[in-house]
Amino acid sequence: GEDVEQSLFLSVREGDSSVINCTYTDSSSTYLYWYKQEPGAGLQLLTYIFSNMDMKQDQRLTVLLNKKDKHLSLRIADTQTGDSAIYFCAEIRADTDKLIFGTGTRLQVFP
Amino acid sequence: DAGVIQSPRHEVTEMGQEVTLRCKPISGHDYLFWYRQTMMRGLELLIYFNNNVPIDDSGMPEDRFSAKMPNASFSTLKIQPSEPRDSAVYFCASSPFRGANEKLFFGSGTQLSVL
Repeated sequence: GEDVEQSLFLSVREGDSSVINCTYTDSSSTYLYWYKQEPGAGLQLLTYIFSNMDMKQDQRLTVLLNKKDKHLSLRIADTQTGDSAIYFCAEIRADTDKLIFGTGTRLQVFP
Repeated sequence: DAGVIQSPRHEVTEMGQEVTLRCKPISGHDYLFWYRQTMMRGLELLIYFNNNVPIDDSGMPEDRFSAKMPNASFSTLKIQPSEPRDSAVYFCASSPFRGANEKLFFGSGTQLSVL
């Protein structure tokens, strides 16, 4: 399909791990990204992964890439209330060289 | 650097009026992007510039929308005449790169409401 797909909502308890999933479309995408959008703000780049990698870890964030299934995930360890936001995955489409965003996943962290 | 600066933060206008949104990119970034965000359509790329030159405006909805970048530190997105369906959050973003290692820096957005 044309769309980069994500589930709409995720609710987790503070201190638990969060896993946000994304299915992208272009098997030749070279970079895949995770952006975070807090209420009333623009998107902020969280992390990215190059397509020749399977995993990337950055402090509490772990990105997993399954190229065969075109599946990207973001794991947030020890989730905090400050992590509540909308998370977008994005891919660079090789044919158009355009950055295409997913639909976004709203993460809610409750005490 | 103060980041990407957009103004105004909020704009409320009546249908048929002209609306101008403004953006100051991060100094040294050669690429500037205008996005629109709505609940129904998510984030849509409207247009982007490279070194002040419009490169791809295929996302601009119709002729009522126009964008300019007269210099490296300023861009405008204009809607004339505005319609209620233009209500959205409009983001400006800049990037030092384009393509495979593109990383966008977003402004805080302009919340536009057309009544």
